[in-house]
Amino acid sequence: GAVVSQHPSWVICKSGTSVKIECRSLDFQATTMFWYRQFPKQSLMLMATSNEGSKATYEQGVEKDKFLINHASLTLSTLTVTSAHPEDSSFYICSARDLKWGTEAFFGQGTRLTVV
Amino acid sequence: GENVEQHPSTLSVQEGDSAVIKCTYSDSASNYFPWYKQELGKRPQLIIDIRSNVGEKKDQRIAVTLNKTAKHFSLHITETQPEDSAVYFCAASTGGAGANNLFFGTGTRLTVIP
Repeated sequence: GAVVSQHPSWVICKSGTSVKIECRSLDFQATTMFWYRQFPKQSLMLMATSNEGSKATYEQGVEKDKFLINHASLTLSTLTVTSAHPEDSSFYICSARDLKWGTEAFFGQGTRLTVV
Repeated sequence: GENVEQHPSTLSVQEGDSAVIKCTYSDSASNYFPWYKQELGKRPQLIIDIRSNVGEKKDQRIAVTLNKTAKHFSLHITETQPEDSAVYFCAASTGGAGANNLFFGTGTRLTVIP
């Protein structure tokens, strides 16, 4: 299967600061990338979908000005959590699709964000 | 948007027994239904998937069934082994070349007791 790399795997930041998470497809071109948030012992909640070269589509209830998504190339998407607060602490995970692989989505390792 | 419900939330079985996890979806346009296994601290891994033009698919000890009319699909694991212990997520998507969204169920924590 294809490989998706997410960085960093964990980060601790102070309230009010911004944090950027990168999601890279290493051996394929990701036409679409998804960003999810996962609380402990809960499911993956889709935050937004990004297509290369266009604006991300955010799910209802997700603040686009707080969670900035950029998909500048076919191999890189970034999620920036702006003005982070303790309630933003969570596990963020990306996944990517390549139409050549069909509909399967490949997941990154995830990023555990702790805001103190 | 799509709403995927999954049951049960936890499931314990004896090694060698079968495990069944059920999901329902709300969007009749959904036509791609993957199942993911997530071990503790790891990323979700696709274990099996089914498309709406197929009613059942099997891969060794794992099988998935789909009832489009009732909008539900199930994961069946036979001859369970301790290494099957993990959280399993079902998902639904409209699929196709233009498909973007993949909506997940709430997850089932499966414990296989040796």
